[in-house]
Amino acid sequence: NAGVTQTPKFQVLKTGQSMTLQCAQDMNHEYMSWYRQDPGMGLRLIHYSVGAGITDQGEVPNGYNVSRSTTEDFPLRLLSAAPSQTSVYFCASARGRQETQYFGPGTRLLVL
Amino acid sequence: GEDVEQSLFLSVREGDSSVINCTYTDSSSTYLYWYKQEPGAGLQLLTYIFSNMDMKQDQRLTVLLNKKDKHLSLRIADTQTGDSAIYFCAGLAGYQKVTFGIGTKLQVIP
Repeated sequence: NAGVTQTPKFQVLKTGQSMTLQCAQDMNHEYMSWYRQDPGMGLRLIHYSVGAGITDQGEVPNGYNVSRSTTEDFPLRLLSAAPSQTSVYFCASARGRQETQYFGPGTRLLVL
Repeated sequence: GEDVEQSLFLSVREGDSSVINCTYTDSSSTYLYWYKQEPGAGLQLLTYIFSNMDMKQDQRLTVLLNKKDKHLSLRIADTQTGDSAIYFCAGLAGYQKVTFGIGTKLQVIP
């Protein structure tokens, strides 16, 4: 199993550009989530999904969209990038609601 | 919502024990986790404890939970330079809502 994979590893955007961060897992996990990690603020939940076709907002959803058309994939879209979205983004998956989360290696995003 | 607090930094000498502390606010937290993050990498689950347990030991790692005080600690015995990393405490309460602390940076001095 590859576990949780994320692409790209690193991305530079200009303000106003859009892009999609990819996340995939091959463990047949129902639960997937996106976090951003900023210095001094730990991890903050952006969006999560409890199964294909079901998504919900986390703590900091503004400026981000998600969809879950398959169990395996959970892409995160930045509609119009802003410098405040410069961060490290982590995707995670879990077998179920109260199961342990497994994290991907992260995507480092710089918005100029 | 849940708040999880940790100290920011801990420095220990190689071979000594490290104790990383965490406090949480939600008494309904069912699972409490410790994650390790090495530089440039994602989070790796180290261990977890269920809320009805007081202690869990796994090789060099010992987790202690004081539910009354909402205090969680991670003890690393015989700390090695490879243990240098950021350690995150996290709590699960309610509908798969995991709240993370800001992380404790452990520096191991050779």
